[in-house]
Amino acid sequence: DTEVTQTPKHLVMGMTNKKSLKCEQHMGHRAMYWYKQKAKKPPELMFVYSYEKLSINESVPSRFSPECPNSSLLNLHLHALQPEDSALYLCASSQDTPLNTQYFGPGTRLTVL
Amino acid sequence: SQQGEEDPQALSIQEGENATMNCSYKTSINNLQWYRQNSGRGLVHLILIRSNEREKHSGRLRVTLDTSKKSSSLLITASRAADTASYFCAGAGNMLTFGGGTRLMVKP
Repeated sequence: DTEVTQTPKHLVMGMTNKKSLKCEQHMGHRAMYWYKQKAKKPPELMFVYSYEKLSINESVPSRFSPECPNSSLLNLHLHALQPEDSALYLCASSQDTPLNTQYFGPGTRLTVL
Repeated sequence: SQQGEEDPQALSIQEGENATMNCSYKTSINNLQWYRQNSGRGLVHLILIRSNEREKHSGRLRVTLDTSKKSSSLLITASRAADTASYFCAGAGNMLTFGGGTRLMVKP
């Protein structure tokens, strides 16, 4: 199984809402990632979890809060977002380091009103 | 932050023609990877070339790497309409950093 799943596929939220994005993989990978991608732009790294510990935080605002409950799951908690946070949020996993091939989920299309 | 630039930003060709995309990167890398993304979907890994390799092939794909020039190229031979997508290079240093991408359109 080389699939990374993400839920929901689409999310519309107001600036005062709290929501969560979910990501799951069953490939036994020990590194998981969150990326943000704006239209016609490349993915930008937000967070890296390695062996369930946050190893890289690319200066992401605190309104984004990642969580890695176990080696298969990755969440991104959203609170008090701004309209400019609207984007495609991609989850990925790799064997154990960012040097390995990364497997991406289909993404969550987030719209902040 | 973006690793580097891709050239061209957009490319339109006829089915059966070859497509060449170039990528430049800024920092030292362990390897360079190429990914494909269909519109609004996740990325799919195509090929990985290590810093001590100069050329690699996979099916209709040919990738070159010139570490002295910090550049790489992706060649897709005998293109098909299904190859229409965005293609990104990504340098793997302490993290994977993506280039700007090339939007390829293959017309039937």
